[in-house]
Amino acid sequence: DVKVTQSSRYLVKRTGEKVFLECVQDMDHENMFWYRQDPGLGLRLIYFSYDVKMKEKGDIPEGYSVSREKKERFSLILESASTNQTSMYLCASSSPTESYEQYFGPGTRLTVT
Amino acid sequence: GENVEQHPSTLSVQEGDSAVIKCTYSDSASNYFPWYKQELGKGPQLIIDIRSNVGEKKDQRIAVTLNKTAKHFSLHITETQPEDSAVYFCAATPIDSNYQLIWGAGTKLIIKP
Repeated sequence: DVKVTQSSRYLVKRTGEKVFLECVQDMDHENMFWYRQDPGLGLRLIYFSYDVKMKEKGDIPEGYSVSREKKERFSLILESASTNQTSMYLCASSSPTESYEQYFGPGTRLTVT
Repeated sequence: GENVEQHPSTLSVQEGDSAVIKCTYSDSASNYFPWYKQELGKGPQLIIDIRSNVGEKKDQRIAVTLNKTAKHFSLHITETQPEDSAVYFCAATPIDSNYQLIWGAGTKLIIKP
């Protein structure tokens, strides 16, 4: 069964902390995505990676960075967390050779205080 | 670039009635239109999709229709059941998207018993 896992379901961090969100997929997918989900705004793409060590900025990359050292793992980094980064973060993966379908993890609810 | 608008933001229907959610897109070159369902505490999951060379697609109680001329597509759910309560997202993929999806803002569907 297809599986995307995220390191934490809930996370509480303080303003200014460095935060790491981890995502792992077991489907050997080339593409991986990080989204932010806020009520009324849908899913907004933060970063996209189409191969190991490759990344592209999405619609809202400011304040975030990413790392993809291995094909199965895609990390989202908040260099200095701020209260406006309190949100639900969703990771997804897809294979361009199969279909456009994106497979999502369960999400990480991040609260920055 | 592509822009997807989704309406309504909230839809409340009586159990057994039909529900319709509508999306419009701006890029006439878009060629793939999926619908995702997000249940509470989970990531979105693909429920049905349609490509630009097809006008309608059905899968049991759900169907999607596409009007390329008007640049809109709709999700139809018949004989709604309590388990249909969820947030539904539409999306579109422009032809040069590199397998990214452009998302609507989401519709919260409430099934009243």
